[in-house]
Amino acid sequence: QSVLTQPPSVSAAPGQKVAISCSGSSSNIGNNYVSWYQQFAGTAPKLLIYDNDKRPSGIPDRFSASKSGTSATLGITGLLTGDESDYYCGTWDSSLSAVVFGGGTRLTVL
Amino acid sequence: EVKLVESGGGLVQPGRSLRLSCMASGFTFGDYVMSWFRQAPGKGLEWVGLIRGKSYAETKEYAASVKGRFTISRDDSKNIAYLQMNSLKTEDTAVYYCARDQESYAIVGVVIADHYMDVWGKGTTVTVSS
Repeated sequence: QSVLTQPPSVSAAPGQKVAISCSGSSSNIGNNYVSWYQQFAGTAPKLLIYDNDKRPSGIPDRFSASKSGTSATLGITGLLTGDESDYYCGTWDSSLSAVVFGGGTRLTVL
Repeated sequence: EVKLVESGGGLVQPGRSLRLSCMASGFTFGDYVMSWFRQAPGKGLEWVGLIRGKSYAETKEYAASVKGRFTISRDDSKNIAYLQMNSLKTEDTAVYYCARDQESYAIVGVVIADHYMDVWGKGTTVTVSS
């Protein structure tokens, strides 16, 4: 059981947009920064978003994120088949003194 | 090139020990927090623990699932972080990753923590089985 809650899967057609939610509590998302990771099958995770809504260099602006209260959302526009991957939200939990993740969301681009 | 390379994984019997290494290159290793993560087959990411640098007395934090069994250390002269795993259980079977952790804190009335992992190794596989 993950501390953060994500939908197990989302899907959309190429060119469309999708939103992946991440829900937590005041001890994690509510008071700390959120990051997002992309993980293709059999490979290491890759940082997609940090500090709630910032993109590292090299990440296209099709990827965006926001945070409100105890929830965060990753948005992807102009979907490509190459975006099919698992996406994880992560943050620090001040009560647990631990980095915590959501269970991951598998994106299917139909 | 900023890079992390894990090694030391393998097949080990329950109850035995294993030490993983994470060799860093391309950045000033001692300036950074290093975190370990794992991913069991078909499962999501799980944080294992972290070690801060000398500036923060190399303090460590661990996940409840490994506290007392796993120990993280570092050798800044060799640019290596270690994960010593003792009393291994079958449920410790996973791919283990190390990552550079951009830990920071801000105080805006309350303490706001920032942890994001901007560099990851490719991982090393640990299988605990008799």
